[in-house]
Amino acid sequence: GAGVSQSPSNKVTEKGKDVELRCDPISGHTALYWYRQSLGQGLEFLIYFQGNSAPDKSGLPSDRFSAERTGGSVSTLTIQRTQQEDSAVYLCASTESPGLINQPQHFGDGTRLSIL
Amino acid sequence: DQQVKQNSPSLSVQEGRISILNCDYTNSMFDYFLWYKKYPAEGPTFLISISSIKDKNEDGRFTVFLNKSAKHLSLHIVPSQPGDSAVYFCAASAKGAQKLVFGQGTRLTINP
Repeated sequence: GAGVSQSPSNKVTEKGKDVELRCDPISGHTALYWYRQSLGQGLEFLIYFQGNSAPDKSGLPSDRFSAERTGGSVSTLTIQRTQQEDSAVYLCASTESPGLINQPQHFGDGTRLSIL
Repeated sequence: DQQVKQNSPSLSVQEGRISILNCDYTNSMFDYFLWYKKYPAEGPTFLISISSIKDKNEDGRFTVFLNKSAKHLSLHIVPSQPGDSAVYFCAASAKGAQKLVFGQGTRLTINP
């Protein structure tokens, strides 16, 4: 497809389990972002990847959260030992190139994560 | 510390009238502002943006106004249509930074 693709669309898991969320950015987009939206809140930045540069991890809420981007394309966000407060919609976005200033980020439909 | 604030959680407007959504920010380093629209179970969709060198940007029924001295921006939709019913998020980024900082969103309902 032409847009940002995320999987799974929904994930329900028990507290303490690990989860992996996947993002396929728009083809040719070099920058990739992860955000999360908790109930009734705005989107909260988590992490940003650009090419081969070191990612900006400044938004990751704890060391249970990690992300990687393989081959400059697909990204996975991993949450270890999930807690109930991790329940949220996790959104991925991409942009063509941050070298071109003032580009909007294009979002996928998100993964709704529910921790029981 | 909420750097981008949308103080109205909801807004109801009659079809055909103007919808005005407001957003305030505190960080004077922000120089790029965007509005996104979000339907349930979908990701945010980019609507319109404005750079800090401008005070107005227009795209069809959508116009964004930026008042830098007041650190305030607004989105005008005219005429409002039922399909405009959604949650609208204001977002901002600072020069040299890539991440977007979002407001909490305003739920717009257009009544027939």
